[in-house]
Amino acid sequence: GAGVSQSPRYKVAKRGQDVALRCDPISGHVSLFWYQQALGQGPEFLTYFQNEAQLDKSGLPSDRFFAERPEGSVSTLKIQRTQQEDSAVYLCASRGQIDTQYFGPGTRLTVL
Amino acid sequence: GNSVTQMEGPVTLSEEAFLTINCTYTATGYPSLFWYVQYPGEGLQLLLKATKADDKGSNKGFEATYRKETTSFHLEKGSVQVSDSAVYFCAQDHNTNAGKSTFGDGTTLTVKP
Repeated sequence: GAGVSQSPRYKVAKRGQDVALRCDPISGHVSLFWYQQALGQGPEFLTYFQNEAQLDKSGLPSDRFFAERPEGSVSTLKIQRTQQEDSAVYLCASRGQIDTQYFGPGTRLTVL
Repeated sequence: GNSVTQMEGPVTLSEEAFLTINCTYTATGYPSLFWYVQYPGEGLQLLLKATKADDKGSNKGFEATYRKETTSFHLEKGSVQVSDSAVYFCAQDHNTNAGKSTFGDGTTLTVKP
């Protein structure tokens, strides 16, 4: 079946703009994760949902970052008043019953 | 806290050479361990995993053994191909916290013909 999809694939924002990044997980996957991957580094955990409940948001770097998954399927990561240090690839992953996470292709955000 | 340290790159090998990419971890409890691969222009893909001590994960000729005594999960392949050129990430799951993963910084492998 279809894998995890993310949109847009690329986003350029001017400093101070708000952005919204979308993740469509694999159908039926209960768990959904967001990661931030800076250039040349491994992904860093941002937040985790189980169905519609956000159970862990300890990785969100500031209160400008907000994530939601209102119906337990599609998730949106919103970044308000973007800063240059927000430039990164944002990865979404979903997981079913076993411990394997399936990653989407990512959204590359560039803040000018 | 939980962390993953992997061999710094980049690594350049000739085709058919033997590959080792080192990975060590620190963790409370007994995490699951993973190797992911990221081919140019593509997303992260799970390469192999091991869920308990002494387990060996294997896929596409790659292997890694979960060594609790040395807290290591080194990736090996006996004969690399040009198509193996990619970035490899070692990761662990925090099995006490809904399975969020901690990743190493990645090792870039280039295989030359």
